[in-house]
Amino acid sequence: AQKVTQAQTEISVVEKEDVTLDCVYETRDTTYYLFWYKQPPSGELVFLIRRNSFDEQNEISGRYSWNFQKSTSSFNFTITASQVVDSAVYFCALSENNYGQNFVFGPGTRLSVLP
Amino acid sequence: SQTIHQWPATLVQPVGSPLSLECTVEGTSNPNLYWYRQAAGRGLQLLFYSVGIGQISSEVPQNLSASRPQDRQFILSSKKLLLSDSGFYLCAWSVQVDEQFFGPGTRLTVL
Repeated sequence: AQKVTQAQTEISVVEKEDVTLDCVYETRDTTYYLFWYKQPPSGELVFLIRRNSFDEQNEISGRYSWNFQKSTSSFNFTITASQVVDSAVYFCALSENNYGQNFVFGPGTRLSVLP
Repeated sequence: SQTIHQWPATLVQPVGSPLSLECTVEGTSNPNLYWYRQAAGRGLQLLFYSVGIGQISSEVPQNLSASRPQDRQFILSSKKLLLSDSGFYLCAWSVQVDEQFFGPGTRLTVL
């Protein structure tokens, strides 16, 4: 069965610092998808990125970047020059090659960016 | 573009009362639909998912049930609420293994 671990329960940084949120996953499938979501205080989950298991290229989107390493089963998320608006709970998720019913979320990491 | 609606946004109900939460999706056909619960300060727990009208799979046995009477409508129900049913309920949709898109959620408090 698949599993997603986010070992960091809470992280606090000061504005403009860089921060990396860790995600480690377990799956037996060779085809799978990894995701990151942001949950701001309003509660709604915001989709950030999807990665499939065949694409190990790192991705950068503005201040956000993702490092996917199959060798260590990790899909880490880095925010560069963090801002107060980045404060949220961030979830990593894994979906295996089926119709979505095995979409598993990690427990989340609460990021607080202090001014 | 696709949008997903949930209502009500907040709900306070006494123990033992019934529950009906509704979720509707616009702008897509035959989506997979999901109900999640998030207890305070906790992660997401998948409650039900549906791949089509009338097709419901339950992930966790409990006193909740789900129904999908129309292609883009997903309803979460209970005949008698328990204190432990309090939480934040999120509906989501997806197309196969694509990313799931979430609604704004319903915050339920059972007293």
